[in-house]
Amino acid sequence: DGGITQSPKYLFRKEGQNVTLSCEQNLNHDAMYWYRQDPGQGLRLIYYSQIVNDFQKGDIAEGYSVSREKKESFPLTVTSAQKNPTAFYLCASSPRQGAELGAFFGQGTRLTVV
Amino acid sequence: EDQVTQSPEALRLQEGESSSLNCSYTVSGLRGLFWYRQDPGKGPEFLFTLYSAGEEKEKERLKATLTKKESFLHITAPKPEDSATYLCAVIGSGTYKYIFGTGTRLKVLA
Repeated sequence: DGGITQSPKYLFRKEGQNVTLSCEQNLNHDAMYWYRQDPGQGLRLIYYSQIVNDFQKGDIAEGYSVSREKKESFPLTVTSAQKNPTAFYLCASSPRQGAELGAFFGQGTRLTVV
Repeated sequence: EDQVTQSPEALRLQEGESSSLNCSYTVSGLRGLFWYRQDPGKGPEFLFTLYSAGEEKEKERLKATLTKKESFLHITAPKPEDSATYLCAVIGSGTYKYIFGTGTRLKVLA
């Protein structure tokens, strides 16, 4: 079945550590996105990538980094510079030539700083 | 600036009590408006895409409509399993960024 797989589902991080969230898709989509979701704030865009080896900052990129070495994969690293990383992180993808078809989401990773 | 506002923030309905959720938007050159359903701890699930004013789409107890300034998600005779957060998003011309509203949390009581 085609879809987007995020792992792990739950992640705990000690303060000062970097952690990487995985996102893999087999939908053959060119565009991929990372969103952060906090209660009452909706989805906020962290980074997006329209094509391999290219990505752009979203609205809240500070303290995060990404890479796009393969079409299928778009990992997100939450660095120690992110002051408040506890949140629910969502990865999505869409066809680059058909963004008007909508974005499709993975099941999310809940990150907690302990 | 592209913007999406959803109302109400939360809605409690009795089973069978029909109602509507609102999504007001401001976007330059609407390419698509999207409705999603999100269950707690899960990713958003795609429901509908609307492209032009006057368009309507239906799925079971849900019907989405679109005007030039807003969209409505009508829920007819809801059941407890319709309880979820409903998200609205838009995409405008010349961009690959989806703009999301903050959602409406719907609770349907048996």
